[in-house]
Amino acid sequence: KQEVTQIPAALSVPEGENLVLNCSFTDSAIYNLQWFRQDPGKGLTSLLLIQSSQREQTSGRLNASLDKSSGRSTLYIAASQPGDSATYLCAVRDDKIIFGKGTRLHILP
Amino acid sequence: EAGVAQSPRYKIIEKRQSVAFWCNPISGHATLYWYQQILGQGPKLLIQFQNNGVVDDSQLPKDRFSAERLKGVDSTLKIQPAKLEDSAVYLCASSLTGGRLDGYTFGSGTRLTVV
Repeated sequence: KQEVTQIPAALSVPEGENLVLNCSFTDSAIYNLQWFRQDPGKGLTSLLLIQSSQREQTSGRLNASLDKSSGRSTLYIAASQPGDSATYLCAVRDDKIIFGKGTRLHILP
Repeated sequence: EAGVAQSPRYKIIEKRQSVAFWCNPISGHATLYWYQQILGQGPKLLIQFQNNGVVDDSQLPKDRFSAERLKGVDSTLKIQPAKLEDSAVYLCASSLTGGRLDGYTFGSGTRLTVV
């Protein structure tokens, strides 16, 4: 049974720092991995989608990597801003989509 | 491209009452999903539709939850009767084909509070 773990559960960093969020999964036989952002009381906004054949995807200050063999993905946020404060969720797709519990990120002004 | 539309945004009901949520996916998306997200947890799939047929409802509590997508476009999710533990955000998502390479697009969700 696929399990997705996100570490840390919560993170506070000063504005301007670069940071890394981690996602691990137990079964490497996935088709893709997607990172989402969720603001309080809101739905999920897709940030990056990495297919199983890809190693990374980039969008602006965000870079996501995927290492299927080790069951890991990282989301790198460069030059963090207070507006980046949100919960970040990763989801892996095998026969179903399985979500982690998320990392609550707080950027300190 | 319009996103996934959901209504209502918020709903407060008493236990044992009934409630219904509505979702309109992105135009042309064949696959529609309903997720339940309890506070502090990741979303959990309740039901997946491919056009107007059910693909997966293995985690839907069928004694109280029901969902339909009659014309293969919009969908409703109903809870009858509601329990306190049903308090959660109900998210609707859609994807183009439901294929293994597809990403998902989510709506803003409906926050349900059962008192």
